[in-house]
Amino acid sequence: QSVLTQPPSASGTPGQRVTISCSGSSSNIGSHTVNWYQQLPGTAPKLLIYSNSQRPSGVPDRFSGSKSGTSASLAISGLQSEDEADYYCTAWDDGLDGRVFGGGTKLTVL
Amino acid sequence: EVQLVESGGGLVQPGGSLRLSCAASGFTFRNYRMNWVRQAPGKGLVWVSRINTDGSTATYADSVKGRFTISRDNAKNTLYLQMNSLRAEDTAAYYCALLSGTQGFDIWGQGTMVTVSS
Repeated sequence: QSVLTQPPSASGTPGQRVTISCSGSSSNIGSHTVNWYQQLPGTAPKLLIYSNSQRPSGVPDRFSGSKSGTSASLAISGLQSEDEADYYCTAWDDGLDGRVFGGGTKLTVL
Repeated sequence: EVQLVESGGGLVQPGGSLRLSCAASGFTFRNYRMNWVRQAPGKGLVWVSRINTDGSTATYADSVKGRFTISRDNAKNTLYLQMNSLRAEDTAAYYCALLSGTQGFDIWGQGTMVTVSS
């Protein structure tokens, strides 16, 4: 299983707010910043959030990130059908001396 | 245009070898640490390896340590992944990636598929 723990699935209706959690430990999230990626089917991952809460240019402000202790979360407000995708959290891990990813959360827009 | 383009994937028998390449363009390649990330069919993202800017230091996931070697040629703006003693569980799409640190500069290639099967 993955070092970072995410729920395997999440869902919401258009316009709703959805939150995806990412749980880690002191050696990864507790010591390093968290990035979030969105992956649409058949495409490469796209950076959504970096440094816990920063959005790259072009990413809508409907997407927001936060971190507290050894956990992080991604919030999507005003849910849209095009948000249906897989979402991954990631951070560096000092114990493994490598980057770790969460197992991914499949978001369904009902 | 900023981009990474992987090549070298294909079908290989268990125990065989393959070398992946990743051509970078549109940014100053030598200034950035580079990574390989893989994704087995229907599965999640898994980090494989990272190399520092001048190629002197590399780190690997335990699952590939001793079998895979990451390298780079800054004169050619190219990243490599030499994969030896391949196993069925190495079957995946392999992505070359510049993973964002604190600046939000993040680039992924389109991925190249490696299939290990007899």
